[in-house]
Amino acid sequence: EAEVAQSPRYKITEKSQAVAFWCDPISGHATLYWYRQILGQGPELLVQFQDESVVDDSQLPKDRFSAERLKGVDSTLKIQPAELGDSAMYLCASSLGRGATEAFFGQGTRLTVV
Amino acid sequence: GESVGLHLPTLSVQEGDNSIINCAYSNSASDYFIWYKQESGKGPQFIIDIRSNMDKRQGQRVTVLLNKTVKHLSLQIAATQPGDSAVYFCAENKDSGYSTLTFGKGTMLLVSP
Repeated sequence: EAEVAQSPRYKITEKSQAVAFWCDPISGHATLYWYRQILGQGPELLVQFQDESVVDDSQLPKDRFSAERLKGVDSTLKIQPAELGDSAMYLCASSLGRGATEAFFGQGTRLTVV
Repeated sequence: GESVGLHLPTLSVQEGDNSIINCAYSNSASDYFIWYKQESGKGPQFIIDIRSNMDKRQGQRVTVLLNKTVKHLSLQIAATQPGDSAVYFCAENKDSGYSTLTFGKGTMLLVSP
């Protein structure tokens, strides 16, 4: 069964360090999302790609976060420098694209900033 | 502002009971509403969705009801099982062309054997 792959599953980093997360969506899925989920809350959208283009990054803290999906397939989310408040689960999801209602989520990367 | 929220943070039921999880939304422009299930340590999993021009949709053991008059969404789970224990999120999808998903805060469902 096709899955959204994310790595690493867990990451511990010191504040002010750089950290990166990787996501490989389901093959053929044009839309890719990065969400941040704080414990006990719902996922919050950070950035959404349609193929290689960013279509929504209004909630992405652009002074420290960046995301790319250069070839319209896999994607990387980077934080530099990491802050204590960045500790959260970072979820990647993908969907077929426009008009698709079902998004498939990966297992997420649990980030702890110390 | 726009928001999708839940009435109850935790719902405890006995195995075999029916469960009802509620959600209030404030954005009338949403095209779809979706329920997701999230088990501990995992990503959310799609359960069922409903288009804004419908008021009821049924799946396997689940039914979603949409009341646009009071902007209320509910998920009914029949014959709840211990494996249903999880956090349930409602989400709205504005079909602006890019299927943007906005999630509410979640309700934890605890099923006792």
